[in-house]
Amino acid sequence: GQNIDQPTEMTATEGAIVQINCTYQTSGFNGLFWYQQHAGEAPTFLSYNVLDGLEEKGRFSSFLSRSKGYSYLLLKELQMKDSASYLCAALDSNYQLIWGAGTKLIIKP
Amino acid sequence: IAGITQAPTSQILAAGRRMTLRCTQDMRHNAMYWYRQDLGLGLRLIHYSNTAGTTGKGEVPDGYSVSRANTDDFPLTLASAVPSQTSVYFCASSPGQGAETQYFGPGTRLLVL
Repeated sequence: GQNIDQPTEMTATEGAIVQINCTYQTSGFNGLFWYQQHAGEAPTFLSYNVLDGLEEKGRFSSFLSRSKGYSYLLLKELQMKDSASYLCAALDSNYQLIWGAGTKLIIKP
Repeated sequence: IAGITQAPTSQILAAGRRMTLRCTQDMRHNAMYWYRQDLGLGLRLIHYSNTAGTTGKGEVPDGYSVSRANTDDFPLTLASAVPSQTSVYFCASSPGQGAETQYFGPGTRLLVL
């Protein structure tokens, strides 16, 4: 079956760095997405990786290892507004997104 | 430019009633999707449409139907609502199918009693 695993909840301190991990098992693979979802709001796109390696975009970076079925989202210089859920989603061979349950990130002052 | 709009924002519905959730996008995107989001679970795809005039079943299609008469609108109908359909429903669109970013509407919160 197809499966996405990510931690349910993480806590970090304002100004610090946090890494949110995601492992995936899908029928075929056409890339890995990260979305951010604030409570009560819609998911919004953060990043897309299809090749191995690190993609940096401001304070956020995303890494992919296709051979290990593994990705992480790295958030630097954490701000209170980064408190949200972070959703990992893998694109399978039919180009359908398989979503993880999301990681709720709590930022403490 | 509104992007994607959904209506209603929230609804309380008696079991057995018929309900249509509306979704409209103004980005001229070809592909549209309906998801449900439940606590502790990932977004689950209900139905999708790769282009106007075509629809397909997702992971959890039972009890739901869709139509795609034109590019902009993608309504989701619950023929006879049941309590297990209590959820938050998100409509999304993307320029095409494949490795495209999906853009989400604000969601409809549905409670079936």
